[in-house]
Amino acid sequence: GAGVSQSPRYKVAKRGQDVALRCDPISGHVSLFWYQQALGQGPEFLTYFQNEAQLDKSGLPSDRFFAERPEGSVSTLKIQRTQQEDSAVYLCASSLWDRGDEAFFGQGTRLTVV
Amino acid sequence: DAKTTQPPSMDCAEGRAANLPCNHSTISGNEYVYWYRQIHSQGPQYIIHGLKNNETNEMASLIITEDRKSSTLILPHATLRDTAVYYCIVRVNNAGNMLTFGGGTRLMVKP
Repeated sequence: GAGVSQSPRYKVAKRGQDVALRCDPISGHVSLFWYQQALGQGPEFLTYFQNEAQLDKSGLPSDRFFAERPEGSVSTLKIQRTQQEDSAVYLCASSLWDRGDEAFFGQGTRLTVV
Repeated sequence: DAKTTQPPSMDCAEGRAANLPCNHSTISGNEYVYWYRQIHSQGPQYIIHGLKNNETNEMASLIITEDRKSSTLILPHATLRDTAVYYCIVRVNNAGNMLTFGGGTRLMVKP
């Protein structure tokens, strides 16, 4: 596709349920980032991949959050035992590996935990 | 990364230039100034970036002061579609460096 694609667009989960959010980056983009955006705030960094290697996961808020990118393209962010404070928009971004200048973002997945 | 300070909101008349200021007084010598915007219900969109020289592209112009402690993003002819939250970010231009978003400026373009 022409841009970064995320699915689902919206997800409602019951508290305690596990969820999986998918990101299809732009083809050929080696760098992939996940961000979390709470209502009314700017996005906050969660984790970074270079190809299949997760080089930075310092932003993951707890061990309930797990991300993977096994073949260096599609990435999945998994949240186990969701809690209400996990409600947010989860954004994925990709960029060319040797240029950190322009990151392309998807539209995000809006997660609501009830 | 250095922090930035932006006004929380601004208004601009359609067709006029929108000038969005940003202070980054603790910027390091190897940090670039980036601007992104986020239109409602969409992901952030890259606008422009620069190190110390002024930059211009099809979307906007970026003016960086000589001491690099502040910058201004200029949208020369604002349209209603430019209504968005504009984020000024400073970062080292390395592939693995994340973007650190602050609160941004909510620009409202009015007819």
